[in-house]
Amino acid sequence: GAVVSQHPSRVICKSGTSVKIECRSLDFQATTMFWYRQFPKQSLMLMATSNEGSKATYEQGVEKDKFLINHASLTLSTLTVTSAHPEDSSFYICSARGTVQGYEQYFGPGTRLTVT
Amino acid sequence: DAKTTQPPSMDCAEGRAANLPCNHSTISGNEYVYWYRQIHSQGPQYIIHGLKNNETNEMASLIITEDRKSSTLILPHATLRDTAVYYCIVRVDTGNQFYFGTGTSLTVIP
Repeated sequence: GAVVSQHPSRVICKSGTSVKIECRSLDFQATTMFWYRQFPKQSLMLMATSNEGSKATYEQGVEKDKFLINHASLTLSTLTVTSAHPEDSSFYICSARGTVQGYEQYFGPGTRLTVT
Repeated sequence: DAKTTQPPSMDCAEGRAANLPCNHSTISGNEYVYWYRQIHSQGPQYIIHGLKNNETNEMASLIITEDRKSSTLILPHATLRDTAVYYCIVRVDTGNQFYFGTGTSLTVIP
């Protein structure tokens, strides 16, 4: 149980284009989803918290107009990187917390974004 | 911001117990300690969590000091597949966010 998927697993896009990453909880309903970014050899950095049906809360220093988050259902959240630039190249990981579980987060496998 | 500090790296012989320490001296009374691990280029995997009491599950044991300022994750019989970065995290009580520290890179040696 408690499986989280992400799609795509890898994406390469050109500078200036937008990329959408999907995060799905497969066997539970996720009231809260989190988005993280991880640069090579670094730890995970929390970008934003999203609750189903409401606007995401972004961490300090994360541009909400650049990283659009939508959590329209209890099983799906999306992160759109708008007008991507090479410095946005990173490993993006989502996690989900369920309605009936404890507060542990279950993480997706991550999406490797490369902006050329 | 992360409220934990961990040694950057550790080695452990295969078959022996791996003891990974974590310092969380500023933890509040209602904040839980969580442990996750991340194998290269994968999402973190949940291991265990606790508040005050020691905890054990099929993966590991968690020992929390009485003053709650530090904890130790114990992998009783380390295998090569346990090689990973281990993160100790204090869950923020309001909002439930996880702020990851730098973690401990554990290498299990044959």
